[in-house]
Amino acid sequence: EVQLVETGGGLVQPGRSLKLSCVASGFTFNNYWMSWTRQAPGKGLEWVASITNSGGSTYYPDSVKGRFTISRDNAQNTLYLQMNSLRSEDTATYYCTRGLGVDYWGQGVMVTVSS
Amino acid sequence: DIQMTQSPSVLSASVGDRVTLNCKASQNINKYLNWYQQKLGEAPKLLIYNTNNLQTGIPSRFSGSGSGTDYTLTISSLQPEDVATYFCFQHNSWPLTFGSGTKLEIK
Repeated sequence: EVQLVETGGGLVQPGRSLKLSCVASGFTFNNYWMSWTRQAPGKGLEWVASITNSGGSTYYPDSVKGRFTISRDNAQNTLYLQMNSLRSEDTATYYCTRGLGVDYWGQGVMVTVSS
Repeated sequence: DIQMTQSPSVLSASVGDRVTLNCKASQNINKYLNWYQQKLGEAPKLLIYNTNNLQTGIPSRFSGSGSGTDYTLTISSLQPEDVATYFCFQHNSWPLTFGSGTKLEIK
């Protein structure tokens, strides 16, 4: 069974940093691209970042480019999202998702950016 | 960026009805279109991938079709447990984008 378990969320002040982690199990992690997707409270879904299976290439929308960094440790079956210079508009539930086609989702972790 | 427009934003139908949800892309997405179901308080779940492929474990009353810029999700016989918000998603080109969702209710 595919499982994606996110940790690291919480309350953070604007301008500060936070790092999310996602531990994957139930599939061969290094065979898959991985992504992060977020959902602001009561809002729709927004793709945040993707990384190739080797970690050699990463992709971001303009809304987070230069502030967020996706990375992975294939030996530990773990995906990361380093979020810097956080803004109030980054407040959302962040989901770890498998593949470019986003077939499996974690349960999500809440990030609140507020003073 | 490719804009994904879903219609209607809210749909109310009766149990047993055939229901059609629409998703229109601002440019050709070559059938790289997925549909997700999100129930209240839960993570989204993949229903259909690449326009018309049913994800494992999803009931056969769900089906997808389309090409180019226009895509549809059909529920052949609406069930009470289908109450949810449905999102479309294109993974043809960067940045990847979602539709704003259709909220499906039971009359």
